[in-house]
Amino acid sequence: ELKVEQNPLFLSMQEGKNYTIYCNYSTTSDRLYWYRQDPGKSLESLFVLLSNGAVKQEGRLMASLDTKARLSTLHITAAVHDLSATYFCAVDSPYGQNFVFGPGTRLSVLP
Amino acid sequence: DTEVTQTPKHLVMGMTNKKSLKCEQHMGHRAMYWYKQKAKKPPELMFVYSYEKLSINESVPSRFSPECPNSSLLNLHLHALQPEDSALYLCASNSIRGGGRVLGDTQYFGPGTRLTVL
Repeated sequence: ELKVEQNPLFLSMQEGKNYTIYCNYSTTSDRLYWYRQDPGKSLESLFVLLSNGAVKQEGRLMASLDTKARLSTLHITAAVHDLSATYFCAVDSPYGQNFVFGPGTRLSVLP
Repeated sequence: DTEVTQTPKHLVMGMTNKKSLKCEQHMGHRAMYWYKQKAKKPPELMFVYSYEKLSINESVPSRFSPECPNSSLLNLHLHALQPEDSALYLCASNSIRGGGRVLGDTQYFGPGTRLTVL
């Protein structure tokens, strides 16, 4: 059974600080997806990582993928309050039909 | 147009009511999904439709009945729900090729329907 784990599950950080969210998965996959969800809202696609060593950056967020370690990281640089949200990573299921989501990391950026 | 729309945005229903949720996309995606999301949890897959045919049912109780009348529309019919079915119901779509989704394509999610069962 494919398992996707994230840590930390909760993260409270001050504005201006840097931090990293980790996503581990239990099966071989060359692709990983990051989503953001604001409270009461839907999921917004942030990054699609398609190969080992892939790195993508958007604003203060940078995501990377190490398929050998089955690990993806989402790095936050100089956090701002607007980044407060829940971040989910997801991996293709073995059937290829759908995603398996991690439990989410609830990020709160404090002024 | 990379939008998935869902109606209604909010729905309150009694345990004896029958209601339907609607999802629409015009991106030409032939895979559509229903997810259920409880507070502070990740989305849980309920159903997958590929080329308008049900391809995955994640052992969802029969009080939830999906329907895909055409390649742009996805419905979820609700009947005799329980209070524990209260949740955010999300629709999503993505491209498929052959038998499966196009790996590496993101899923596009609708805004969701917030369902409350009294």
